[in-house]
Amino acid sequence: DGGITQSPKYLFRKEGQNVTLSCEQNLNHDAMYWYRQDPGQGLRLIYYSQIVNDFQKGDIAEGYSVSREKKESFPLTVTSAQKNPTAFYLCASSIEAGGWIEQFFGPGTRLTVL
Amino acid sequence: RKEVEQDPGPFNVPEGATVAFNCTYSNSASQSFFWYRQDCRKEPKLLMSVYSSGNEDGRFTAQLNRASQYISLLIRDSKLSDSATYLCVVKWGSGSNYKLTFGKGTLLTVNP
Repeated sequence: DGGITQSPKYLFRKEGQNVTLSCEQNLNHDAMYWYRQDPGQGLRLIYYSQIVNDFQKGDIAEGYSVSREKKESFPLTVTSAQKNPTAFYLCASSIEAGGWIEQFFGPGTRLTVL
Repeated sequence: RKEVEQDPGPFNVPEGATVAFNCTYSNSASQSFFWYRQDCRKEPKLLMSVYSSGNEDGRFTAQLNRASQYISLLIRDSKLSDSATYLCVVKWGSGSNYKLTFGKGTLLTVNP
């Protein structure tokens, strides 16, 4: 089945540690995204990539880094520089047709910093 | 004015009720509009796109008012399974230079 997978589902990290969240898609989509969702908040865009080996900062990129070496993969690293990393992280990919965008989301990773 | 603003909710309605959500957007150049549904502790999923002429999908009707810069979602004959958070999403820009902005969501609880 086609889809987006994220791992792990739950992740605990100690303060000061970097951690990498995995995102893989087999939908053959060019564009991929990382969002963060906090309780009572909308999704906020961290980074996005529209093509392999290229990515752009979103609204809240500070303390995060990404890579896009393969079309299928868009890992997100939460660095120790991120001041408040505990959140629900969602990866998405999208297909565009005639200006309409449909985003497909992975199941998310809940990161807790202890 | 926030880029995308939704009814804060929460909405608590009995089964069978009709409920409507509104969403306003600030950028008049916005081009495409969507409603997503997000179940508790799950990922968002596309519910429906919103077309200029309005569109209907079963019990769900979406409408767009460009002059007033708002979109709406109407749910008729509410079911228990409709309980979720409904997210309004607005796209502006074109080609490879576009932006999707999500509202904070409106929580709906349908009660037996």
